[in-house]
Amino acid sequence: DIQMTQSPSSLSASVGDRVTITCRASQGINNYLAWYQQKPGRVPKLLISAASTLQSGVPSRFSGSGSGTDFTLTISSLQSEDVATYYCQKYNSGPYTFGQGTKLEIK
Amino acid sequence: EVQLMESGGGLVQPGGSLRLSCAASGFTVSSKYMIWVRQAPGKGLEWVSVIYSGGSTYYADSVRGRFTISRDNSMNTMYLQMNSLRAEDTAVYYCARMGSAGPFDVWGRGTMVTVSS
Repeated sequence: DIQMTQSPSSLSASVGDRVTITCRASQGINNYLAWYQQKPGRVPKLLISAASTLQSGVPSRFSGSGSGTDFTLTISSLQSEDVATYYCQKYNSGPYTFGQGTKLEIK
Repeated sequence: EVQLMESGGGLVQPGGSLRLSCAASGFTVSSKYMIWVRQAPGKGLEWVSVIYSGGSTYYADSVRGRFTISRDNSMNTMYLQMNSLRAEDTAVYYCARMGSAGPFDVWGRGTMVTVSS
């Protein structure tokens, strides 16, 4: 099975900072990569599909890139409401494995 | 409005059974790939099972042989029958829908399952 590895596992940054989270698949998954945001005590929310397609209503400061095995989620200017845990996920075929998550906090 | 609502969680003893339900509204469960995901307390998301629109199913290694996913088209509801429960199955269980683009675009609010004596 394909493993999904995120880094870092936690991150502290200041409001306005540019933040980058990486996700690596153990085998190529083309662009079948999604990013989810889970705020404390809330349900996960789909942010990005197909590695780089922003979902409707998601602020444009979020962006995704990558293909094959290496992917990134970037927040161009961190806001306080972005405090959450972010997960990548492969969805080309089962098992639909998630990364272990990156907990983002405000410094 | 497209919605999912889980029910059936609770406290169960190790070795026991529980059936979770996921009622859908605003779309037809039989036309989509439907998913169960779980999250142990303080831990990350773990994909559990899928039932494809054609009816075939697939399970994570951690639950294969113990959990069974199914759906009732007349009730527009998906189920997760959980047998031989273990302490490590303790988690919030979410149902979700795989959207036309692939990833999980609609999630329920989750139902808590606690396996403890």
